[in-house]
This record gives sequence, C-alpha cells and structure tokens, in this order.
Amino acid sequence: AQSVTQLGSHVSVSEGALVLLRCNYSSSVPPYLFWYVQYPNQGLQLLLKYTSAATLVKGINGFEAEFKKSETSFHLTKPSAHMSDAAEYFCAVSPTTSGTYKYIFGTGTRLKVLA
Amino acid sequence: GAGVSQTPSNKVTEKGKYVELRCDPISGHTALYWYRQSLGQGPEFLIYFQGTGAADDSGLPNDRFFAVRPEGSVSTLKIQRTERGDSAVYLCASSLIPGDTQYFGPGTRLTVL
Repeated sequence: AQSVTQLGSHVSVSEGALVLLRCNYSSSVPPYLFWYVQYPNQGLQLLLKYTSAATLVKGINGFEAEFKKSETSFHLTKPSAHMSDAAEYFCAVSPTTSGTYKYIFGTGTRLKVLA
Repeated sequence: GAGVSQTPSNKVTEKGKYVELRCDPISGHTALYWYRQSLGQGPEFLIYFQGTGAADDSGLPNDRFFAVRPEGSVSTLKIQRTERGDSAVYLCASSLIPGDTQYFGPGTRLTVL
C-alpha cells in the first residue's frame, strides 16, 4: 500500500532563510506526487505536482520540489521564506496504476516564519 | 472561473442527528472526491465519483455515511446518526477527468455535540 511520511510536524524558519519541508513516499511504482498548502480556515491550494516529466518541479510562490526515486523523496524548498508562507503544507501521493484516483496525504507540516 | 464550493461552511449538530453536506464542483469536471480531515491530520479519502456513479467508496468508514451525485455535478454527503467522532472538516475536490489534478473546496466544518 502507498503511504506518505512528512518529517517534522512543525518547522520554524527566519524570514529570508531557506525553507525545506520533507516528504518521503512508499510505493512499488513511482506515483504522482503533490504539495498542497492550507491557510487557516481555508481549503487546500495546489503548490506543485510531479507527474513523471521533469524531476525538478517549479510551483507557485517560489516553491519547488525535486523527485528523487533513489531516495523515494519529494522535498519542498523555497530559497527565501516570506512571512506570508506561514501555513500548513501537505504532501500527497496518487497511484499511477488505474482503478483508483484517491490522494493519500501525509500528516502535514506547519511552517512558522519568524521575523 | 469559480472554484469548488461547499455548503454550509460550518455545521453544528447534536449526536444522533442526520446531516447533509453539499459540494458544487468546478463546472465541467467529471470526477468528484470527498475527504475528511480530522484535527491535526491530513485529509483522508472517503469516496470518489466518476459522473453519477461512485467509482470507489472504500474510504467510507461505515454504513452511516452515504454520498450521491444524481446528475453528475453537485454531490451530497449524508451522515446518519451522527457521532462525536464524526466531527471534522469535510473536503470536496473535483478534477476535469479521473486522475487529473484535484482542486479542493474550502470545506465544511462539522461539529457533533
């Protein structure tokens, strides 16, 4: 069965510092991978997705993620944190085999940006 | 264009009552998904519709939960005999076709007293 692990339920960075949010997946075949952001009392907004094209994926708001098959990872990065990046971030996996299209989410990482 | 909308945004009910949660997907999207997000957790899959039919309902926790999509657009999630453990945010998502990127609504926060 597929699963997603997000290391660190809370991450704090200073404004202007590098943001690194970790995501590892478990799957017998490379899945599709997603990062979503959730602001307080709002739904999930897609940041970026990997669907077996380029392994380095650029998303909105300056975020990017790199798919590393050998490490089964899809870590999210941003070179310079902004106060507006404070939110909860979810990594999700979707199987590429047919029959089901549900997303399996990690437990989330809450990002705090310090002034 | 308009995104996925969900009503109500908040619902407070008493244990044992029946509730209905509504989802309006993005116009033209054929696939619709329901997820449940408990406090401090990621969303968990409940059910997925392709058109009018439930293609995968493996995530429904028990037979108190039921969902319909009679005309292939709007969907209603129905919960009978609500329990305090049903308290969560219920998220709806839609995609143009199955397997395409899912776009999420703002959710309905259900509180069972």
